[in-house]
This record gives sequence, structure tokens and C-alpha cells, in this order.
Amino acid sequence: SAVISQKPSRDICQRGTSLTIQCQVDSQVTMMFWYRQQPGQSLTLIATANQGSEATYESGFVIDKFPISRPNLTFSTLTVSNMSPEDSSIYLCSVSGTGNQPQHFGDGTRLSIL
Amino acid sequence: QQQVKQSPQSLIVQKGGISIINCAYENTAFDYFPWYQQFPGKGPALLIAIRPDVSEKKEGRFTISFNKSAKQFSLHIMDSQPGDSATYFCAASYEGAQKLVFGQGTRLTINP
Repeated sequence: SAVISQKPSRDICQRGTSLTIQCQVDSQVTMMFWYRQQPGQSLTLIATANQGSEATYESGFVIDKFPISRPNLTFSTLTVSNMSPEDSSIYLCSVSGTGNQPQHFGDGTRLSIL
Repeated sequence: QQQVKQSPQSLIVQKGGISIINCAYENTAFDYFPWYQQFPGKGPALLIAIRPDVSEKKEGRFTISFNKSAKQFSLHIMDSQPGDSATYFCAASYEGAQKLVFGQGTRLTINP
């Protein structure tokens, strides 16, 4: 399966600031997704990152708070904007080859907001 | 409609025993059911997955049992080992393998 690298692996940020998380894959993939995993809890899909077009957001997530870019088939970024302590979570990137292939996850970015 | 309910929340099994984790879903449009294993500090790793046209799938010590009429599926880990201690998530999706909906997770501890 593809090797997925996320940067940074962890960060501690101040309230009101923004952080951009990068997801790099070692091969071209069709689908890229961003998930949030709050401490000790399950994973929730934030959005599907679409190459060359606007991301598709799930209910409860908006572009102004979580802008996403996907300039090519191997790279995507998620920005967490105007952060508050409630945004403290693990943010995970996942990829799949096509709609019928399984998703594989990166190791995530552990974000703490003070 | 989008929920996947997973139980138990935590599970302790003796080494060599069978670990069983259960999931139930509501949306009959789901057509793909993977299980993921997550170790602390790591992302979820795909263990095994099943589609609703089969009732069971086995890969090594891991088996998924699927009951379409009951809308339930379960993970069985045979001969459980301390290295299996991790958090396990069931998930479901439709539209192929897109838009995974995850269960709440089960923290499995295998005692030596």
C-alpha cells in the first residue's frame, strides 16, 4: 500500500491561530480524505479532498474553518483556522486508489490548542 | 441512518483466547465493512474487510462474520496474543470504499 506522510506529527498552538497540515503520498492516488479523531474517540470524516476542485465537506464541517487544498494526485493540505481548545484532536489523512479500493491512513497530526 | 454501533467498549482476553468484537449498522445501502487496528501514536491500519455478498472472511487469525439480515458483523481474533492489544474500529461505507463511518472503537487488552 501507499506510504503516507503527514507533517507536522504534532504541534501545540495558541488560541486564535491557524495551522496547515500536509499529507504527502509516495504514489498517485485517486481519493484523499481528512478525518478528525478527538481524544479517546472514534474517527469522523471532515471532507473529501478533490484534485483540482473544491473539497466536499461533511455535515458539521465548513470550508471557512477547515480549508483544504489538493493541487495534485499525491499531496493535500488541511488548515485548521482560528483554533480554539475544542479543535484539540488528531487529524488524519487517508488515501485510496479508486472508490472500490480500501482506505489507508497516515499516522496523523496531534494538535493541542492552549 | 449513518450510525455504526460497536461493542464492547473495552475487552480483556487471556493469551490464547478468542477476542470477539461486534458491530451493528442501520443503513442498508452500506456495501463495504472494514476493520481497522490502531496502536497508540499511530494511524488506523486496515486489518480485514468484507462485502455483503459473503457471510465470512478469514485472514490468518482474523475472521469477519457478516449477517446481512440482522445488519451485524463481528471480528474474531483467534489465539489472541499480547501484540494484538490495540484499539479496534469497525467501519462501513457505500459508494465503494469512500466515506467511511466508524464505530466507537474497542480497546482490546490481551493478558499474558
